[in-house]
Amino acid sequence: AQSVSQHNHHVILSEAASLELGCNYSYGGTVNLFWYVQYPGQHLQLLLKYFSGDPLVKGIKGFEAEFIKSKFSFNLRKPSVQWSDTAEYFCAVMRGATNKLIFGTGTLLAVQP
Amino acid sequence: DTEVTQTPKHLVMGMTNKKSLKCEQHMGHRAMYWYKQKAKKPPELMFVYSYEKLSINESVPSRFSPECPNSSLLNLHLHALQPEDSALYLCASAPGYAPNTEAFFGQGTRLTVV
Repeated sequence: AQSVSQHNHHVILSEAASLELGCNYSYGGTVNLFWYVQYPGQHLQLLLKYFSGDPLVKGIKGFEAEFIKSKFSFNLRKPSVQWSDTAEYFCAVMRGATNKLIFGTGTLLAVQP
Repeated sequence: DTEVTQTPKHLVMGMTNKKSLKCEQHMGHRAMYWYKQKAKKPPELMFVYSYEKLSINESVPSRFSPECPNSSLLNLHLHALQPEDSALYLCASAPGYAPNTEAFFGQGTRLTVV
């Protein structure tokens, strides 16, 4: 089945630690890739997006992600996390020209001060 | 204006009630979405409208009935819901001329079915 997978369901880090969250998708063809963040009690916010071009994309709040087409992956990274990064992170994929946006299972990140 | 506005923010309804959720955007977007999100789960796609026509229905039960009266408005009519339908309902919009579009999300309507 076509899907979006996030293998890390729950990650606990100390402040200043580096973060990498995995995202894999199983769609062939053209895709648009996104990472969204949902802070406790708040709505979904876009962290970053990839449409084409440079596979390393930078987003808000020091986040970046790398698209590796051969691995169908779009992993999220941040060199040094802060307590305020505590949130749920969702990878999402929009397939080609369909407007169909599908979310991964989510990763709950807890950053300890 | 980059907002997607959803009303109401909270809704409590009985299983025999009929209610509607509303979503509005003024970004000129031509794709609009309804998602359902249960606690600690990802948003699940329910419906997509493209250019005011229903383009995707993810096998949603008929007790949920979407409507797109014009390009700025999206409604979700609710009737005879079950307690397990309690969730956060999210609306989103996107320019619609895929590829290379991103979706903007509203704050959601927290629905409780009693």
